[in-house]
Amino acid sequence: QVQLVQSGAEVKRPGASVTVSCTASGYSFTSYYIYWVRRAPGQGLEWLGLINTKSGTPTYAQNFQGRVTMTRDTSTTTGFMELSRLTSEDTAVYYCARVGGYTGSEYYGGMDVWGQGTTVTVSS
Amino acid sequence: ETVMTQSPLSLPVTPGEPASISCRSSQSLLHGNGYNYVDWYLQKPGQSPQLLIYLASSRASGVPDRFSGSGSGTDFTLKISRVEAEDVGVYYCMQVLQLPYTFGRGTNLDIK
Repeated sequence: QVQLVQSGAEVKRPGASVTVSCTASGYSFTSYYIYWVRRAPGQGLEWLGLINTKSGTPTYAQNFQGRVTMTRDTSTTTGFMELSRLTSEDTAVYYCARVGGYTGSEYYGGMDVWGQGTTVTVSS
Repeated sequence: ETVMTQSPLSLPVTPGEPASISCRSSQSLLHGNGYNYVDWYLQKPGQSPQLLIYLASSRASGVPDRFSGSGSGTDFTLKISRVEAEDVGVYYCMQVLQLPYTFGRGTNLDIK
């Protein structure tokens, strides 16, 4: 079945980096974008960015420019999100989701499949 | 960035009654192709978010037809015709036209 499986929970010190992986199965990996979203405790959802899995081109939210790096490995159908210079404000559950179609396309279909979430805790 | 203003932030509803959530954007989300790039998501307690509506009014696969989305330009609405107990959670609107893509603050729907 179609699914996205994310890597396990992480605990990091302030200033460190974390990488979350998102492995896709059950569909053509390069036919969908991968978006990354997070939800901090007591907060709402926040969009971090996306990666075009066909070209490997990322697009980042301005708030995370310079701190986030999104990549993908088509051989393992896996997307990666690395966040550096962590602070306590980065403590959150991080999600990946697939999106078919791009903005401006009539085929845009929303984030229709989500990973199970990865809890990242930043604490000294 | 495009600000998405959701209301209400809290919505207690009696089962079987209708519910409505409003989302207003600070910029038009109507693309030149005629589509409005607005999604609605529900995050149930302890679960990942799930897609309800995309392109403002298209219901996602498997979503019950009691959910509907409407609106154009800057004003959008999610309606639930008859709320069921399983509908509890936080509802978010999201715009995917202008970078960075942005969510509303969320509406916490619970059962009276």
